[in-house]
Amino acid sequence: DAKTTQPPSMDCAEGRAANLPCNHSTISGNEYVYWYRQIHSQGPQYIIHGLKNNETNEMASLIITEDRKSSTLILPHATLRDTAVYYCIVSLSGNTPLVFGKGTRLSVIA
Amino acid sequence: DTAVSQTPKYLVTQMGNDKSIKCEQNLGHDTMYWYKQDSKKFLKIMFSYNNKELIINETVPNRFSPKSPDKAHLNLHINSLELGDSAVYFCASSQDGFWGDPARGYNEQFFGPGTRLTVL
Repeated sequence: DAKTTQPPSMDCAEGRAANLPCNHSTISGNEYVYWYRQIHSQGPQYIIHGLKNNETNEMASLIITEDRKSSTLILPHATLRDTAVYYCIVSLSGNTPLVFGKGTRLSVIA
Repeated sequence: DTAVSQTPKYLVTQMGNDKSIKCEQNLGHDTMYWYKQDSKKFLKIMFSYNNKELIINETVPNRFSPKSPDKAHLNLHINSLELGDSAVYFCASSQDGFWGDPARGYNEQFFGPGTRLTVL
């Protein structure tokens, strides 16, 4: 079973920041937080991952709380193409099979 | 260039038939996976495989078997298809697992476009 809890859905206005929360209160010290997304009818796509520190790449930012029990994925300027299901996954490494939860369905609205 | 490709994209077949889905990755990865996404959109791991180890999700029926002719391919064979096998099947790959270093970002899994299997 997934070790994460996410809201089932969220809306975001186009051009605004989308902040997607995730709770992972049982995360262990050597587990990473990974974010993937699945755009309709496509395979999941990696977004970002982190262990303790906040991370940023060209797609998004990941903010992990100091106690590591929760995190937030930030899409700084959401576009219509960011409409997708976003999955927060806790894993020892990205090479172990991913355990997907139900994710958050993000709808970006024009 | 497609990193992870699957064929066919759609597969419609009758109950009881045997079918295969092919997966190829051109990323030079050592670990490949098969995931199943059912009608409720839950994604679950079926197999992970590298040249050293096959790990099978214990809930997968033995009618399903992965076959790897070489490092770049992991095909999925399904015998005696049942109605409940209807789903979208995704192949994925990643850099070699237990030797990869997440801190260096080597562990991203790349997914194929999926194969929608419909059993009638």
